[in-house]
Amino acid sequence: EAGVVQSPRYKIIEKKQPVAFWCNPISGHNTLYWYLQNLGQGPELLIRYENEEAVDDSQLPKDRFSAERLKGVDSTLKIQPAELGDSAVYLCASSLSWGSSGTGELFFGEGSRLTVL
Amino acid sequence: DQQVKQNSPSLSVQEGRISILNCDYTNSMFDYFLWYKKYPAEGPTFLISISSIKDKNEDGRFTVFLNKSAKHLSLHIVPSQPGDSAVYFCAAAGGKLIFGQGTELSVKP
Repeated sequence: EAGVVQSPRYKIIEKKQPVAFWCNPISGHNTLYWYLQNLGQGPELLIRYENEEAVDDSQLPKDRFSAERLKGVDSTLKIQPAELGDSAVYLCASSLSWGSSGTGELFFGEGSRLTVL
Repeated sequence: DQQVKQNSPSLSVQEGRISILNCDYTNSMFDYFLWYKKYPAEGPTFLISISSIKDKNEDGRFTVFLNKSAKHLSLHIVPSQPGDSAVYFCAAAGGKLIFGQGTELSVKP
């Protein structure tokens, strides 16, 4: 069974440029997450989707970040414009519905490492 | 405000010995506690979990202990192997998953 697929793995851009990350979750997983991981820190939740609905986006900086999950499968996370402080690893994860299990067992992709110059 | 804390950024252990990774939390409403393992350039992978109503869960070489009164959990790896060298994150689930900062374990041959 294929795991969570993310692209690109690495991205280098200049500040003020836009960037987008794509995620394909495990088939059948209704819940999709985007996490931000800064160097030396644990992952921090940006947004959680249940199917197509964003049910927790309280930590998403909405002035420059946006996300969508059309048709309840793939998802895209966009940053526009990027700032120096956005340099980090962006992790996508998926799970069976959070509400039914609530155990926190997520399946992560390999991440997209962003460097903003 | 850090709700889940791992105060040791690194740990070095000899192969065959016990590795003990520690984690503290502040919110008594968490339902589950988990440990994730992360190798370089990979995403975290689930290792073991424990419900808040239990105090111990064992899976092969890995055992997680939960002390609710102290708001503390620990992961024991016995015996430690070089392949266990990775960053270990503890996490707490209560509506959403909150991660600690991670502890880098190095197991020396």
